Amino acid sequence: ILNVEQSPQSLHVQEGDSTNFTCSFPSSNFYALHWYRWETAKSPEALFVMTLNGDEKKKGRISATLNTKEGYSYLYIKGSQPEDSATYLCAFYNAGNMLTFGGGTRLMVKP
Amino acid sequence: NAGVTQTPKFQVLKTGQSMTLQCAQDMNHNSMYWYRQDPGMGLRLIYYSASEGTTDKGEVPNGYNVSRLNKREFSLRLESAAPSQTSVYFCASSVGPRNQPQHFGDGTRLSIL
Repeated sequence: ILNVEQSPQSLHVQEGDSTNFTCSFPSSNFYALHWYRWETAKSPEALFVMTLNGDEKKKGRISATLNTKEGYSYLYIKGSQPEDSATYLCAFYNAGNMLTFGGGTRLMVKP
Repeated sequence: NAGVTQTPKFQVLKTGQSMTLQCAQDMNHNSMYWYRQDPGMGLRLIYYSASEGTTDKGEVPNGYNVSRLNKREFSLRLESAAPSQTSVYFCASSVGPRNQPQHFGDGTRLSIL
């Protein structure tokens, strides 16, 4: 079983703050790293899929970076808004066909 | 466009009963997946089907069986439900390759008494 760790487990920020959180994964046999956004009472929605060391992806105020050599990815949210409140999941593919998820970072943005 | 549709949304079973969770996708995806989500555990893969006609075990397959009925449909069966299988079950699909995102259904909340 592959170990995918996310930190912190939860995070409270004020509206307008910028924030970031971390996903750590095994650096061997890397194939892809996924980020998903999961709002309460909804289903997870894909944010990014990254495959290359040094990849940076951006969608609006959210961006992500990838370091496959050291086994980590950062997710950044610039100027957090209450609608950004959700659980952010990362998931790791190695050479197999199984996507292994981390436990998630729960973000709460206070107005 | 419905995406990934799961039925039922809620179900209560007694220990030892059997049931089948249904999943269908209308995106012409090749790969389909079943996950369970438990508090503090994140999403864990039960079974997956990389393509029509194939199924493989995931991280937690014990107590479950699956059927890839056709390209659209992937069902999950509990033959003899146990309280440890109380969970929220998510079906997902993807185009296929590992660098493509997965699309999730709304989940089935299953309670086993």
